[in-house]
Amino acid sequence: GDSVTQMEGPVTLSEEAFLTINCTYTATGYPSLFWYVQYPGEGLQLLLKATKADDKGSNKGFEATYRKETTSFHLEKGSVQVSDSAVYFCALKVSGNTPLVFGKGTRLSVIA
Amino acid sequence: EPEVTQTPSHQVTQMGQEVILRCVPISNHLYFYWYRQILGQKVEFLVSFYNNEISEKSEIFDDQFSVERPDGSNFTLKIRSTKLEDSAMYFCASRGQGPSTDTQYFGPGTRLTVL
Repeated sequence: GDSVTQMEGPVTLSEEAFLTINCTYTATGYPSLFWYVQYPGEGLQLLLKATKADDKGSNKGFEATYRKETTSFHLEKGSVQVSDSAVYFCALKVSGNTPLVFGKGTRLSVIA
Repeated sequence: EPEVTQTPSHQVTQMGQEVILRCVPISNHLYFYWYRQILGQKVEFLVSFYNNEISEKSEIFDDQFSVERPDGSNFTLKIRSTKLEDSAMYFCASRGQGPSTDTQYFGPGTRLTVL
């Protein structure tokens, strides 16, 4: 079945460090890919998305590129801030009305 | 900015009791979802709801679970007789209609603890 695998956390970085959170997927067809973020005490918020191969999603300095050849959608940010501390979830959706399939989530802690 | 809200934020119940988790989706949204996350595990789909009926459900969503949209604004998840393994964070989500509105918007979750 469809699945998403994320790197295990927690990830602890110093402020201004480079961030990569790996995400790979298995899916039938051509899924849309998403990164959601959950800040402490809040719900899941869409961070960015990409709907077809080679698309790059970006938001708030975060980027991820849909790589069909490696079935990956790695999340990157060039310089993290303390306010980026949160849990990050990679997810896919195979078609419009189908539910999201999530990875386990990766907790990021950024220290000053 | 409109948001999905959920109540309560934390529910503690005894095994075998019924619980109702409440959600208020974004007002013009038409698709509604429940997901759950057992501590340390993946966020899992439970059920989707459209046009006043279930459109899809997972194998987790057995006869102990039901959903309802009783009054046009609330969207509820009922667990009839809770088990210890129902302890989890339950997320509600909603989505608008059309190809440009494929994003699901999530609430903050209800943490259910079954003792």
